[in-house]
Amino acid sequence: QLQVVQSGAEVKKPGSSMNISCRASGDMFGNLALSWVRQAPGQGLQWLGGIIPIFPLTHYDQRFQGRVTISADESTNTAYLELRSLTFEDTAVYYCATDIWFAGDSASHPFYFHHWGQGVLVTVSS
Amino acid sequence: EIVLTQSPDTLSLSPGDRATLSCRASQSVDGTFLAWYQQVLGQAPRLLIYGTSTRATGIPARFSGSGSGTHFTLIISRLEPEDFALYFCSHYNISPPNYTFGQGTRLDIK
Repeated sequence: QLQVVQSGAEVKKPGSSMNISCRASGDMFGNLALSWVRQAPGQGLQWLGGIIPIFPLTHYDQRFQGRVTISADESTNTAYLELRSLTFEDTAVYYCATDIWFAGDSASHPFYFHHWGQGVLVTVSS
Repeated sequence: EIVLTQSPDTLSLSPGDRATLSCRASQSVDGTFLAWYQQVLGQAPRLLIYGTSTRATGIPARFSGSGSGTHFTLIISRLEPEDFALYFCSHYNISPPNYTFGQGTRLDIK
């Protein structure tokens, strides 16, 4: 059974950067696409971007383009999220979500996510 | 970008009741890419339904999904105490790759 474990909570200053990670257990990392989804307090879900590590292929939501980088290390089954120029509005629980990537005409992110990390609270505070 | 609008925002029902949750898309979407998630307070979302109507592994039969085009529905036939949670619909756009989520429906105990 695939398990996704995320790094711990962070407190950041406005203007700084956050770096969080998630590790997927098991031997199927090459079959996975990993995305980062956040949830501000009392709010809904927002996709930041995702990566298919085996290629690697990365896509970002245009609202975060330019200040987000998603990367992965296949040797440790770990994906990373870096978000720069933090503001108070970036305070949220950040989830790593994953599923098998879809092999269509070209590699595609999965249409949905069976597996989610436990979430990590990132607080931006002065 | 496709916008998903869920209704109602809050639904207050009793155990044993039938719950009907709606998700409307701003334009017609392929139901292959429409999913529903349940989120219990303080926990990560859990996949309930994918491809509009297919239950994920381990999801009880009281959960069912339907719809097409711009209107999709999640029905919980007989509410159990553990069903009172937050529910999101989600759509995956292939090109450019992007996921959008509805704002959520909170299912409360009356």
